[in-house]
Amino acid sequence: GAVVSQHPSRVICKSGTSVKIECRSLDFQATTMFWYRQFPKQSLMLMATSNEGSKATYEQGVEKDKFLINHASLTLSTLTVTSAHPEDSSFYICSAGRLAGTTDTQYFGPGTRLTVL
Amino acid sequence: DAKTTQPNSMESNEEEPVHLPCNHSTISGTDYIHWYRQLPSQGPEYVIHGLTSNVNNRMASLAIAEDRKSSTLILHRATLRDAAVYYCILRRQTGANNLFFGTGTRLTVIP
Repeated sequence: GAVVSQHPSRVICKSGTSVKIECRSLDFQATTMFWYRQFPKQSLMLMATSNEGSKATYEQGVEKDKFLINHASLTLSTLTVTSAHPEDSSFYICSAGRLAGTTDTQYFGPGTRLTVL
Repeated sequence: DAKTTQPNSMESNEEEPVHLPCNHSTISGTDYIHWYRQLPSQGPEYVIHGLTSNVNNRMASLAIAEDRKSSTLILHRATLRDAAVYYCILRRQTGANNLFFGTGTRLTVIP
């Protein structure tokens, strides 16, 4: 199956700093990628849709100035958590879709665990 | 996307079959039924999908009711590595849309 990677897998940072997370589709091109956040014992919540060559679309309640998304190429999307605070500590997961007939299969990265001290 | 309903948790003995149910009574004619699973501390992974007919792949089988208002994911022989949260998700036929994750079913496999 298709592979999506994320880097870093784990990051610990001080409050007030910014953290960049990379999401790469390794063997297919993705015009659209998605960023999710998952808190402990909860399900995945969509944060934003990353569109190659255009602005990301954010879900209601997600601050676009705090969670900066860049989709500079068909294989790379980045999520930057700016001025991180302890409440931003979470598991961040990206995905990219690949058409399978008339539907698409989403391939997920392994996730990035962010801990803000 | 239409909503799905799954039991919060299920248990299975190792090497026995597991049937994970999903209700989707408001499914539309163009909705595919997708199953994903999430192992602890990992991103979700694709398991299987289908439209009307039952489907088999190396991971599992998907049995779809004739009226399509419910489906069952079948793991033929549960292993400890199958312990995960399983999500049943409806997807429109076209369009690169995000997946809406419900609460899923947490499967515990007992050695």
